Amino acid sequence: EAQVTQNPRYLITVTGKKLTVTCSQNMNHEYMSWYRQDPGLGLRQIYYSMNVEVTDKGDVPEGYKVSRKEKRNFPLILESPSPNQTSLYFCASRAADGPQHFGDGTRLSIL
Amino acid sequence: EDQVTQSPEALRLQEGESSSLNCSYTVSGLRGLFWYRQDPGKGPEFLFTLYSAGEEKEKERLKATLTKKESFLHITAPKPEDSATYLCAVQARSSASKIIFGSGTRLSIRP
Repeated sequence: EAQVTQNPRYLITVTGKKLTVTCSQNMNHEYMSWYRQDPGLGLRQIYYSMNVEVTDKGDVPEGYKVSRKEKRNFPLILESPSPNQTSLYFCASRAADGPQHFGDGTRLSIL
Repeated sequence: EDQVTQSPEALRLQEGESSSLNCSYTVSGLRGLFWYRQDPGKGPEFLFTLYSAGEEKEKERLKATLTKKESFLHITAPKPEDSATYLCAVQARSSASKIIFGSGTRLSIRP
């Protein structure tokens, strides 16, 4: 089954404790993105990747890092999380000019 | 600046009562406009892609249309299972990677 898998689905942690949210896709897609979704603000792009070792900033990259060492994986790293990064996070992948396929989301709470 | 605005924010309909959701966009050259459906606790699910003014796509009770400035998602004789948040997104010709989302319309269908 074609899918985008994110882990964990839920995480409560504390300010400053480094965390990684993993994302994996099994569709051999070139493009992958991370979004955060906040009430009233919609989905905002954090980072995207056009292929292995090619990444670029989206609209809200501050406080986040990404890496794309393999085509299927695109982890999101919060080196020193802060409460304003409490949000619902989605990973997505797509083929060139195709629609995006989304994971089921990671609900992150930073205390 | 590229922008997507969806209206209304929320819409409550009676089962069988047809209506339309609006997506207005400003983009420097449209590469594609996408409609997604999002259920609570889930990632957005792809519905349609539209590429040029005048294009229409249909799926069951949903029909998406596109002009040079906006897109409509028409829902005909809706059922309670059509209740969801509907998201519109645009991709500019100038950027293969950046996709901008609207804030969504929350649709509720009463039996």
